[in-house]
Amino acid sequence: KAGVTQTPRYLIKTRGQQVTLSCSPISGHRSVSWYQQTPGQGLQFLFEYFSETQRNKGNFPGRFSGRQFSNSRSEMNVSTLELGDSALYLCASSFRQGDEQFFGPGTRLTVL
Amino acid sequence: QQQVKQSPQSLIVQKGGISIINCAYENTAFDYFPWYQQFPGKGPALLIAIRPDVSEKKEGRFTISFNKSAKQFSLHIMDSQPGDSATYFCAPCNTNAGGTSYGKLTFGQGTILTVHP
Repeated sequence: KAGVTQTPRYLIKTRGQQVTLSCSPISGHRSVSWYQQTPGQGLQFLFEYFSETQRNKGNFPGRFSGRQFSNSRSEMNVSTLELGDSALYLCASSFRQGDEQFFGPGTRLTVL
Repeated sequence: QQQVKQSPQSLIVQKGGISIINCAYENTAFDYFPWYQQFPGKGPALLIAIRPDVSEKKEGRFTISFNKSAKQFSLHIMDSQPGDSATYFCAPCNTNAGGTSYGKLTFGQGTILTVHP
């Protein structure tokens, strides 16, 4: 069974731009969570989607948004990028909310 | 609010030694206590997890010890190997539907383990 895939793996943007990251969960998994990993703040929860609905949200500004499609694939969007948004963005999928989460390799975003 | 405190930040052990990493939490709603292992350039991978109905769980060289009253759990790596060199995270979670933290992993700050050959 294929694991969680994330695209792109690397991304370079400039301040003020917006970016969209994509996540394909493990087949059959319906819950997708997003996390941000930085050296200073560690791993922080962004949001979780289940059955195309946002079920949980972390303490991030409204510039961070996401959505989930009917096939459980998810995207997250960051608008008006800031230097501090440079991070590894990780997607995790689980069969349902509260189940064991399996992580993808992440998307490394660099904001210049 | 720092809900999860992990220690030490870094750990160096010799091959064959025992590595011990600790995690303390505040949220009594947590009912699932996993440890994740992360190698450079990779996402975290579940190593071992425990539920609060048992005090210890062992899988191969990895053991979780859980102390509910102290709100602490720890990871023990026996016979540590150079291939165990990685960053380890505790990430307790509430798996009961209804709570605001339901399904959300709350990560500790991580422990960088280095095992010398």
